[in-house]
Amino acid sequence: TQLLEQSPQFLSIQEGENLTVYCNSSSVFSSLQWYRQEPGEGPVLLVTVVTGGEVKKLKRLTFQFGDARKDSSLHITAAQPGDTGLYLCAGFTDKLIFGTGTRLQVFP
Amino acid sequence: EAGVAQSPRYKIIEKRQSVAFWCNPISGHATLYWYQQILGQGQKLLIQFQNNGVVDDSQLPKDRFSAERLKGVDSTLKIQPAKLEDSAVYLCASSFSRVSGNTIYFGEGSWLTVV
Repeated sequence: TQLLEQSPQFLSIQEGENLTVYCNSSSVFSSLQWYRQEPGEGPVLLVTVVTGGEVKKLKRLTFQFGDARKDSSLHITAAQPGDTGLYLCAGFTDKLIFGTGTRLQVFP
Repeated sequence: EAGVAQSPRYKIIEKRQSVAFWCNPISGHATLYWYQQILGQGQKLLIQFQNNGVVDDSQLPKDRFSAERLKGVDSTLKIQPAKLEDSAVYLCASSFSRVSGNTIYFGEGSWLTVV
């Protein structure tokens, strides 16, 4: 069974702090995606990374795909209350496998 | 462009009753997915369709869950009879194709509570 473990599971921080969410697996993925899900909504795609070692930036969010394409990280700089939500990584082999999720709460 | 539509948004039923969820994917999307999301347990793929054919239903509890996509467009997921542990959000999603890196678009989800 392919597993994608995310850590931490829960994170509560103050506005302005930095944070990193990790996504780890023993499987190699051809691509990896990050989604954000807000309460009462479905997940929305943030980014897709394809190449080992690839780094993508989306405003204050930085995504990195591990060199071996088994892991990824999401770093948020100067978090804002609008960043609050459930962050999901998802790796693609022959199908898309979702991670266990990280629930982020940013307090003003 | 219209997104993935799901209904109903919320449903409360008693155990052993049945329930059906409907999904209309984005127009032109060949691949349709049903996921079960349980708080604290992540998101599990129940079934994946490519047009009207099933690609993967390995995690679908077939003794009580069924899904169909008869004309390759909209889809229905049914649970009969429901158990308490079926309480979850059922997410429908679609994508243009099932190749790696494709963008998957999710609906808002159908929230099921079994009491």
